[in-house]
Amino acid sequence: QVQLQESGPGLVKPSQTLSLTCTVSGGSISSGSYYWSWIRQPAGKGLEWIGRIYTSGSTNYNPSLKSRVTISVDTSKNQFSLKLSSVTAADTAVYYCAGYSYGYDYWGQGTLVTVSS
Amino acid sequence: QSALTQPRSVSGSPGQSVTISCTGTSSDVGGYNYVSWYQQHPGKAPKLMIYDVSKRPSGVPDRFSGSKSGNTASLTISGLQAEDEADYYCCSYAGSYTRGWVFGGGTKLTVL
Repeated sequence: QVQLQESGPGLVKPSQTLSLTCTVSGGSISSGSYYWSWIRQPAGKGLEWIGRIYTSGSTNYNPSLKSRVTISVDTSKNQFSLKLSSVTAADTAVYYCAGYSYGYDYWGQGTLVTVSS
Repeated sequence: QSALTQPRSVSGSPGQSVTISCTGTSSDVGGYNYVSWYQQHPGKAPKLMIYDVSKRPSGVPDRFSGSKSGNTASLTISGLQAEDEADYYCCSYAGSYTRGWVFGGGTKLTVL
């Protein structure tokens, strides 16, 4: 059974870069049938798709975040990562990593990232 | 403001049926058969309940069903149970080179 686990700082200062990593266990991230994504959820609000990466390295990003987002993959470590630059308080949210095959069928538990000085 | 429009809340009594709508445009819901639905309990990660408009993953009860007509997708839960009380989100593909994937704002289901 594939499991995902997010890791990274829980507190980021305004204007800095948020960096998170998702470790995939129980299966290979290089499996050709999955897209690996980041999704976030501000407290009390809905889900927002951030972007996705295929194991070939091709990426797609939410247009509203595209100028600040980079998603990368490290197949040797079975991990994929998120970098979000120039963060503000509006980027405070629970960040989920997720795997898409037929729907987002695999999710991490989520990690809260707070943007505050 | 979310890309897809869902009612903020719906409710029903145990044993009844409820339907949650998800309205988009011809560029997302209406343009692709890649609508999925997620159940989220407080403090938990979302769980896939329906994919590709109407397909159920293994382990999801057949009380959950999905459909689509034009730019509106729907999730119907029949035989409501107390454990169905949760937030529900729809999600649609909106094109790799445009908006990627878009979510609805979520619907709070209350089992009376």
